[in-house]
Order: sequence, then structure tokens, then C-alpha cells
Amino acid sequence: AQKITQTQPGMFVQEKEAVTLDCTYDTSDPSYGLFWYKQPSSGEMIFLIYQGSYDQQNATEGRYSLNFQKARKSANLVISASQLGDSAMYFCAMREANFGNEKLTFGTGTRLTIIP
Amino acid sequence: DAGVIQSPRHEVTEMGQEVTLRCKPISGHDYLFWYRQTMMRGLELLIYFNNNVPIDDSGMPEDRFSAKMPNASFSTLKIQPSEPRDSAVYFCASSWGGRYYGYTFGSGTRLTVV
Repeated sequence: AQKITQTQPGMFVQEKEAVTLDCTYDTSDPSYGLFWYKQPSSGEMIFLIYQGSYDQQNATEGRYSLNFQKARKSANLVISASQLGDSAMYFCAMREANFGNEKLTFGTGTRLTIIP
Repeated sequence: DAGVIQSPRHEVTEMGQEVTLRCKPISGHDYLFWYRQTMMRGLELLIYFNNNVPIDDSGMPEDRFSAKMPNASFSTLKIQPSEPRDSAVYFCASSWGGRYYGYTFGSGTRLTVV
């Protein structure tokens, strides 16, 4: 079974609109971290935001927020007031706390295109 | 800190040649990861190290691939002999251990095998 599922291969959004990128995850570990990365066309992987499984509040970083619904195992990224520079590939990832299993598991990504 | 440094940024080589990719992690990070990214397969974890010791190499495609981390500040990924299907972007990333920490990625090496 996929540990991280991103069901939207591609999205087109009008500039200045808010956008939600979906991510669901699967783990039996009560302790884990969820991450979102942005990969623009230049290719680098840029960390955007982090949410811990025990965090009581949704994470926010500027225009980015994470809609964390633990019971649904959902960690959607919300970008408010989208900009042309937000056009990129977005990856959701999870890191479990199992000793000896420290790797990040990535989803397949969502390609976001912002339309002027 | 200069971040994770990878070299070279681009490599074009002929099939059958040996290719060596290099990575300098962020000082103090105790985990180092090598990933490969292609359009078809997305991001694949090849191998990762903890305190310079290889922990999981189950993602290494075959014996042609090998990775070393002789010290805390340097790692190599070697392909010998290279094949056209090895063409991809190879990322190195480093981090502290624990669920709180994401990776810091290098800029990647774009490998083309002709």
C-alpha cells in the first residue's frame, strides 16, 4: 500500500486564488512528521512546511498552511493568494519515528500551474 | 552554512563509462540520503547512511551502483558501468535524525548517459 497518496497529478489555478493540494498518508506509527516540498522548473527541492503528528494546531508558514486532519490521515497544503511563482511540482512526504527507518517517504507529486 | 553541495551539476558520459557523483552534507547532520528522480519513477530512495554507516541500500538498482561515506563530510555515488537507463537527476540530502526533521536537498546532478 502506498504510504503517501497525492491524487491530483496536475492542477490549474487562476492567479490570486487559493489552492488546496491533497495528501493522504498511511501509517500505524503514532509519532510521525509530515512535510511539503516545492520543486520549481529549475529542479531544486525546497522545504515548505512541517506538521508533527502530536501538534495540536495546523502549521502555517506565510502563505502556506497545512490542513491536518489526523483521524482522516490527511495533510493538505493550502496556498493562499496564489502567485505565478507558485507554479511548480509539490511533494508531500512523511517521516516515521521508527528507529532504523528514518527515511522520508514521498508522494508522486502534484504539478501546479498558476494562470495569469 | 552553504547547504548540501553536490558535484557535478551536469554530467554527460558515454555508455560503459564510470560515473562518480559527489556530495557534501550539512555539517552536524547525521543522516545522508541519495535519491534518483525520473519522469517515469518519480523520486526513488537509493541508499541512506547514519553516522557514515549504510543503513538501507535496498533501493540501489543493481550491482553497478555503489555508494560510500568515508567521513561525515563526504559521500560518493558511483555507477560502473553506466547505461542510458541511468539517465536521471540524482539528489543528495542530509538531515538530523527524528520525525521532526525534513531533509535539506542538494541542487542535484543531472546525469545523461549516451
